[in-house]
Amino acid sequence: DTEVTQTPKHLVMGMTNKKSLKCEQHMGHRAMYWYKQKAKKPPELMFVYSYEKLSINESVPSRFSPECPNSSLLNLHLHALQPEDSALYLCASSPQSRESGNTIYFGEGSWLTVV
Amino acid sequence: KQEVTQIPAALSVPEGENLVLNCSFTDSAIYNLQWFRQDPGKGLTSLLLIQSSQREQTSGRLNASLDKSSGRSTLYIAASQPGDSATYLCAATHMDSNYQLIWGAGTKLIIKP
Repeated sequence: DTEVTQTPKHLVMGMTNKKSLKCEQHMGHRAMYWYKQKAKKPPELMFVYSYEKLSINESVPSRFSPECPNSSLLNLHLHALQPEDSALYLCASSPQSRESGNTIYFGEGSWLTVV
Repeated sequence: KQEVTQIPAALSVPEGENLVLNCSFTDSAIYNLQWFRQDPGKGLTSLLLIQSSQREQTSGRLNASLDKSSGRSTLYIAASQPGDSATYLCAATHMDSNYQLIWGAGTKLIIKP
C-alpha cells in the first residue's frame, strides 16, 4: 500500500475562518511533508516532519500551523488566510532511509479556495 | 545552488511513438533523482527513482537514465498511449539534504490518438 490519503479534497473558506487539512499514511514512513502548488508551477516545500518533530519550516507565514499527532498523521491548521493562499496543498511521506533511496509519495491533494 | 531544467515545456506526439523527456541539473552532487507524473488537478505519482550510484531504472514502458557527469536525466516512454498524457516533473535531492527536492518546471505531454 503506497497511499497517502488527504482530506478534504476541496475546501472553500473565508478569510476569518479556521479550518484544517488532514493527511494520513500507513507505510511506516518517518518523514512527512506539506507542499503548496500553484497552477502550472512545481510544488513548493512548506514543512517537513521527521520522526514527528518539525525539522524544516520554509519561512511559512504563521497563519499556516502544522501538527504531527503521531507517525501516521499530519495536519495543517489554517487561520486568517488570504486569497493568494488559494492553491493545491499536497501532503507527502518518505521512508527517510538512505538505503531505500527515500522515494517520496504524494497524496491527491486538497484544493483550497480562500474567499 | 542547484537548478533543474526541463525542456521542452510541452510536447505533442502521435500515439505509438517512443519519446524522451529531458531533465538537466547544474550540481552533480545529487543523492537521487525522481520522475513524477501529475494529471490535471491531481497529486503527483512517483514513477521512478534513480539513486546517484545507478545509471538507469525501468518500470514497464518507462526507463529513466542518469548521467551525473553531464548533469542530465532522461525519461524514455516506449509505445506511447493517450493515457500517458500528463505533466512529467523531475526532482533532484542534494547530497546534503534528505528532504529538499529541487524541481524542474515540468513537461506537459500530449499523446494524440
